[in-house]
Amino acid sequence: AQSVTQLGSHVSVSEGALVLLRCNYSSSVPPYLFWYVQYPNQGLQLLLKYTSAATLVKGINGFEAEFKKSETSFHLTKPSAHMSDAAEYFCAVSEASGTYKYIFGTGTRLKVLA
Amino acid sequence: NAGVTQTPKFQVLKTGQSMTLQCAQDMNHEYMSWYRQDPGMGLRLIHYSVGAGITDQGEVPNGYNVSRSTTEDFPLRLLSAAPSQTSVYFCASSYDPRDRGTDTQYFGPGTRLTVL
Repeated sequence: AQSVTQLGSHVSVSEGALVLLRCNYSSSVPPYLFWYVQYPNQGLQLLLKYTSAATLVKGINGFEAEFKKSETSFHLTKPSAHMSDAAEYFCAVSEASGTYKYIFGTGTRLKVLA
Repeated sequence: NAGVTQTPKFQVLKTGQSMTLQCAQDMNHEYMSWYRQDPGMGLRLIHYSVGAGITDQGEVPNGYNVSRSTTEDFPLRLLSAAPSQTSVYFCASSYDPRDRGTDTQYFGPGTRLTVL
């Protein structure tokens, strides 16, 4: 079965610093991969997703993620953090075999320090 | 489009009570799902549906019931509430999770449930 591991339940960065949120998946074949963001007291919204067209995926709000098959990773980055980036971020995988199940990681809460 | 709507936003129940969390979407999505979100555990899939009349269990289905009589609605029923069901519940929908062009899930705003 698919699984997703997010390293670091809490990450703090200074405003303007690089944001790096880690996600590793377990799969024998490249799955469908997603990053979602959840702002306080809201539902989740899609940041970006891996479509296999390119290994570097650009999303909204300046975020991007790189799919590395050799490392089974899909880490999320942003060159310069903004205060408005403070939120919880979830990596997710869907089972490409057609069982229709999405598996979410446990989430990483990003804090941006002034 | 209203997207995915959920009612109620907040609910307090006593142990043993039953209730239904409502979810509706107006995007003509075939796939709908229910998750619960608990601190440190991310989102866990409760039940999902790939179309009207078709439902299946997710990771944590016990204590919950679903039905899908229309494309738009996917209610979640708690049969006999327990304190362990205190959580935030999210409904989500997508067109076709097997299709990379349409597999993005859209989430509702959530229902915060407390069971005393």
